[in-house]
Amino acid sequence: GAGVSQSPSNKVTEKGKDVELRCDPISGHTALYWYRQRLGQGLEFLIYFQGNSAPDKSGLPSDRFSAERTGESVSTLTIQRTQQEDSAVYLCASSSMTGRSPLHFGNGTRLTVT
Amino acid sequence: KNQVEQSPQSLIILEGKNCTLQCNYTVSPFSNLRWYKQDTGRGPVSLTIMTFSENTKSNGRYTATLDADTKQSSLHITASQLSDSASYICVVRSGYSSASKIIFGSGTRLSIRP
Repeated sequence: GAGVSQSPSNKVTEKGKDVELRCDPISGHTALYWYRQRLGQGLEFLIYFQGNSAPDKSGLPSDRFSAERTGESVSTLTIQRTQQEDSAVYLCASSSMTGRSPLHFGNGTRLTVT
Repeated sequence: KNQVEQSPQSLIILEGKNCTLQCNYTVSPFSNLRWYKQDTGRGPVSLTIMTFSENTKSNGRYTATLDADTKQSSLHITASQLSDSASYICVVRSGYSSASKIIFGSGTRLSIRP
């Protein structure tokens, strides 16, 4: 595909359940980012991948949040024991190696924890 | 502390009118500044990039300015259209590699009324 793809687009889950969000970056993009956006708020950084290593995990809000990336491809963000405060849109972005390259965003996964 | 502040937080204007959005940053070292447009329910999309040596850059009806001395940028929209209704996010990169820090402003929510 031409762009960043995220799935599912919407996810409703019960409090306490685990969820897995998926991101397919643009082919050849080595950098991958996860962000969280609460309703009406700005983007909040979660984690950055370079290849399949994560040199910056400083934005993960708790140990219930984890992410992995296989090769320079798909990434999954896992939230364990979801809480209502986890309800938000989770956005994934990818970019190529240089600092001049823009971030290419997917359209996000809207997570609702009931 | 690296920060990006945008004003106004929200703005409503009539179709056909012009508007200017502001971005002030305290990011060091400065690499570049991008303006992104985020339509409702979508991921942000890059509009323009400004580097240290660039003062003005246009992309259709969008014109971005940068004053690296005062650390201010603006995004001017001419002859607004209903499709310009969106959030506009100022993003500053510190450093020159894909591993460099990316600092997001909280955005200006622009509404165009017919």
